[in-house]
Amino acid sequence: AQSVTQLDSHVSVSEGTPVLLRCNYSSSYSPSLFWYVQHPNKGLQLLLKYTSAATLVKGINGFEAEFKKSETSFHLTKPSAHMSDAAEYFCVVSNYNTDKLIFGTGTRLQVFP
Amino acid sequence: DAGVIQSPRHEVTEMGQEVTLRCKPISGHDYLFWYRQTMMRGLELLIYFNNNVPIDDSGMPEDRFSAKMPNASFSTLKIQPSEPRDSAVYFCASSSRWGSRGSHEQYFGPGTRLTVT
Repeated sequence: AQSVTQLDSHVSVSEGTPVLLRCNYSSSYSPSLFWYVQHPNKGLQLLLKYTSAATLVKGINGFEAEFKKSETSFHLTKPSAHMSDAAEYFCVVSNYNTDKLIFGTGTRLQVFP
Repeated sequence: DAGVIQSPRHEVTEMGQEVTLRCKPISGHDYLFWYRQTMMRGLELLIYFNNNVPIDDSGMPEDRFSAKMPNASFSTLKIQPSEPRDSAVYFCASSSRWGSRGSHEQYFGPGTRLTVT
């Protein structure tokens, strides 16, 4: 069985400060992990993915995530938030044994000037 | 590539009417997924296809919903008759997994916002 838990439904930061969006996963097999971003009234866009290569994954727009097997975590970070980062972020888990992606409930990121 | 294309982008219809949503996946992708997103239930997988064949339709809410994929470049999601509770954003996504192991990222279309009055 697989599941993913996003620990915060809302995160607020000031522009220029670091961003941390937390995600914990559960998977019976070696997981594939993804982060997607959804801006208002838009589709979901892939930010980055982990598929058993390097544990530190770099994505678009300065985001990165670190796979920590011992903590079953895949937290998303960015050193300096920008106003354009305000959006909904989804942590997603899957594995080779399924065609489906399992989505978290999302974290809404607000960025204040 | 143009990405996943969905039409229409917005649809407003009256209860009882038939609604057809359309999707063109990314060329060369062998998987196609239909999702529904609402505030109450979040993102739900409705049905997915592999090589134009429906694999899992367990997420389809009821018999009013049907989906087809007549060829590799086109799929439809039909609701007949529509009800106000069907109001949601419907997303189509596609992915490529030709013969390889590991789950592959899905590429989403812009969505169709359906309002049933």
